[in-house]
Amino acid sequence: DAMVIQNPRYQVTQFGKPVTLSCSQTLNHNVMYWYQQKSSQAPKLLFHYYDKDFNNEADTPDNFQSRRPNTSFCFLDIRSPGLGDAAMYLCATSRRGKGQPQHFGDGTRLSIL
Amino acid sequence: AQSVTQLDSQVPVFEEAPVELRCNYSSSVSVYLFWYVQYPNQGLQLLLKYLSGSTLVKGINGFEAEFNKSQTSFHLRKPSVHISDTAEYFCAVTVGKTSYDKVIFGPGTSLSVIP
Repeated sequence: DAMVIQNPRYQVTQFGKPVTLSCSQTLNHNVMYWYQQKSSQAPKLLFHYYDKDFNNEADTPDNFQSRRPNTSFCFLDIRSPGLGDAAMYLCATSRRGKGQPQHFGDGTRLSIL
Repeated sequence: AQSVTQLDSQVPVFEEAPVELRCNYSSSVSVYLFWYVQYPNQGLQLLLKYLSGSTLVKGINGFEAEFNKSQTSFHLRKPSVHISDTAEYFCAVTVGKTSYDKVIFGPGTSLSVIP
C-alpha cells in the first residue's frame, strides 16, 4: 500500500544533542510537510516543500531545519533540542493542486532528557 | 485571516447514540473543508472533504458532514457511534488561492464513547 512512513516512532535525545527525524513516501506526492504537535493541541506547521522549493513558516525556530534530497524522502533536523521541543512530529504529503487532502505518517514522538 | 473554531473541546457520548461535532470557519474567500481523525499515537487520517457540489458529504466509518455557507459551518455527524470512534477529531480549512493550499486546523474535539 502507498503510504507515508516515519522513523523512528519514538526518539529519545539529550538536551542540546542534535537529532534527525526521517520521513519517506511511496505516494509520489509533490508536497511534503513537517508538523509539530504537542499534547491536546492541533498540529502546527513548521515548513513544507513544494517539489524542491522550501517554505519556512515565519514562527518556526531557527533550531529546526529540513532537507529533501529527493521526492521520496524528507528529514527534520533539530540542531540543539530544548525541553520545549518534546512533542509528536508529523510528516504529511499531498498532491499539487487546490483542495488536495494531506496524507499523514504515524509520527515520531520525541522526548528530551 | 482564516480561522477554524471547534466549539466543544470534549464530547462524551454513549455507545450507539448519535453525535455531532461542531466546526465553524471564517474566511472571506471560497474554502475547501476537511475533517480528520487522529487515534492515539497515530497520525491524522482523512474522514471526509468538501470541495464543491452537494453540501452533504459522506465519509468513511459512517460519518457525514454538512456544509452551510450562510452559517460558515461544517458540522460532523454520525447516527450511531462505536467504542472504536473514540479519538481526536480535527476540522480543517484550506483557502484555494494558489496551487498550494496551507491547511488551517481547528483546535480539535476529543470524542469519548462510553460503553
